[in-house]
Amino acid sequence: SQTIHQWPATLVQPVGSPLSLECTVEGTSNPNLYWYRQAAGRGLQLLFYSVGIGQISSEVPQNLSASRPQDRQFILSSKKLLLSDSGFYLCAWSRVNEQFFGPGTRLTVL
Amino acid sequence: SQQGEEDPQALSIQEGENATMNCSYKTSINNLQWYRQNSGRGLVHLILIRSNEREKHSGRLRVTLDTSKKSSSLLITASRAADTASYFCATDAANDYKLSFGAGTTVTVRA
Repeated sequence: SQTIHQWPATLVQPVGSPLSLECTVEGTSNPNLYWYRQAAGRGLQLLFYSVGIGQISSEVPQNLSASRPQDRQFILSSKKLLLSDSGFYLCAWSRVNEQFFGPGTRLTVL
Repeated sequence: SQQGEEDPQALSIQEGENATMNCSYKTSINNLQWYRQNSGRGLVHLILIRSNEREKHSGRLRVTLDTSKKSSSLLITASRAADTASYFCATDAANDYKLSFGAGTTVTVRA
């Protein structure tokens, strides 16, 4: 069966510090991968998606970036965090239509 | 960008009652899906309805789709305390890998 992992579960970072969130998928190959951000009490905003190694599509301009160094690994990064980067970050994978979500990372930027 | 909009934003019902929530969208879709999110957790897929389908059932869930009105409804029958969660609709366009999520309906089931 397929599983998706995200870490860390929670993170508190100062403004201006770097960020690296990791997502890995097990039990499937060549998945589509997604990074979402969810503000408190809101829906999901798609940040990045990837259909293959090294293929990244950005949905919104921001100071975040994503990379896919391996087939089942998706990394969300920032060189300098802003206060507005606080939120709940969700990674997901899909093969056709249905998306499967990881447990999420709660990021607080102080 | 968010295409789906759920209505109502919040719903509070007694255990055993039915819960109905609606989703409206703006552009043509390939499929419409409903997801549930428990507080502080990831989303879980509930049901998918294709654009050529009008109604679908899964256990206590019933989903309808009206493409002429660009709307969908999710009905949870005989609700339980464990149904307390936020529910999101998500749409995808033809030949598109992306889902567009609404802001969600928060359902509280009182014991």
